[in-house]
Amino acid sequence: GAVVSQHPSWVICKSGTSVKIECRSLDFQATTMFWYRQFPKQSLMLMATSNEGSKATYEQGVEKDKFLINHASLTLSTLTVTSAHPEDSSFYICSARQGDGQPQHFGDGTRLSIL
Amino acid sequence: AQSVTQPDIHITVSEGASLELRCNYSYGATPYLFWYVQSPGQGLQLLLKYFSGDTLVQGIKGFEAEFKRSQSSFNLRKPSVHWSDAAEYFCAVGDYNFNKFYFGSGTKLNVKP
Repeated sequence: GAVVSQHPSWVICKSGTSVKIECRSLDFQATTMFWYRQFPKQSLMLMATSNEGSKATYEQGVEKDKFLINHASLTLSTLTVTSAHPEDSSFYICSARQGDGQPQHFGDGTRLSIL
Repeated sequence: AQSVTQPDIHITVSEGASLELRCNYSYGATPYLFWYVQSPGQGLQLLLKYFSGDTLVQGIKGFEAEFKRSQSSFNLRKPSVHWSDAAEYFCAVGDYNFNKFYFGSGTKLNVKP
């Protein structure tokens, strides 16, 4: 149980386009989802926390208008990278949890490459 | 300030040898400690976690970790490494509600045949 699916797993697109990444909890309802970014050979950095039906809480230094997060249902959160540029190329990982005190379950990540 | 340090960026061990990956943390409250493993191009899989109680924690795949409060450490060990253990390992510290995870920079493990 506790499976989190991310889609797509890899996306390559041109600079200036917007890219949407989906994070789904397949067998549980996730009241909270988290979005992380991982640069090559570095650790994961929390970008934002989203609670179902609420606005996301962004970490310091993360541009809200650049990284749009929507958590419209208990099983789906989306991260949209708007007007993506090469510096946005990275590995994005989501996680989801059922509620307070429950562990985070991680997706397999999405590799985003902007040309 | 909260932080996690994994001093070893890269470790190579022979298959069948023992393994210890180091993790030190700095956390203002009661730490909840985790070890995750990441295979190339994939997400994170939880190996084990420590909340309270016995300071020696058993995890999946034959891993264990020992919490030492006096040393602010949570080192991961395995008595006999298998080739399939080659991956990157992350230590993390979080709060009780799992709101914020602070990850170490990771240790990449290579296993020699």
